[in-house]
Amino acid sequence: EVQLVESGGGSVRPGGSLRLSCTASGFSISNHYMAWVRQAPGKGLEFVANITPDGSGKSYVDSVKGRFTFSRDNAKNSLFLQMDSLRDHDTAVYYCARDGPRSGPDLDYWGQGTLVTVSS
Amino acid sequence: DIQMTQSPSSVSASVGDRVTLTCRASQGISSSLAWYQQRPGKAPNLLIYGPSLQSGVPSRFSGSGFGTDFTLTISSLQPEDFATYYCQQTNSFPYTFGQGTKLEI
Repeated sequence: EVQLVESGGGSVRPGGSLRLSCTASGFSISNHYMAWVRQAPGKGLEFVANITPDGSGKSYVDSVKGRFTFSRDNAKNSLFLQMDSLRDHDTAVYYCARDGPRSGPDLDYWGQGTLVTVSS
Repeated sequence: DIQMTQSPSSVSASVGDRVTLTCRASQGISSSLAWYQQRPGKAPNLLIYGPSLQSGVPSRFSGSGFGTDFTLTISSLQPEDFATYYCQQTNSFPYTFGQGTKLEI
């Protein structure tokens, strides 16, 4: 069974840092693009970043460029999102998602999400 | 960035109804569109990608459209279909979502 489990969320002051983790089971992440999608409380979905199967290519939405870093450890079947210089509007549930076999981001499996709260 | 606009923002319907939700892209995206369902407190679930129904998704769900205008149709609403639906363009990064349509009883 394919599963994605996020961890590392919590409360942090503006300007602080957090590192999210996503551990996959039931498949090898080395064969897939992977993505982070976030959802602010009561709001819609925002595609934050994705990463190529070997980790050599990463793309970020403009609002997090230079502050967030997406990485992966294929040997440990795990993904990471290092979030620095956090701002109030980064408050959201962060989902890790698998990009399926088709061309383009078909996010066919998602984790349960981890809540990040940025507040003074 | 490509902007995605969904309408209506919410809709009320009854079990057994046929419902059509609309999504419009700010520029042409060919057939590069996905639809997701999200129930309260849960992660989104992929329903349709391009012209294809995702494996395991009931056949009462169908999608159509090309270019800038797209629709998601549920042919006969079931109780478990009351949720929020999001479209997402898969044409170019960032892969933007619409703001969602909440389907209510």
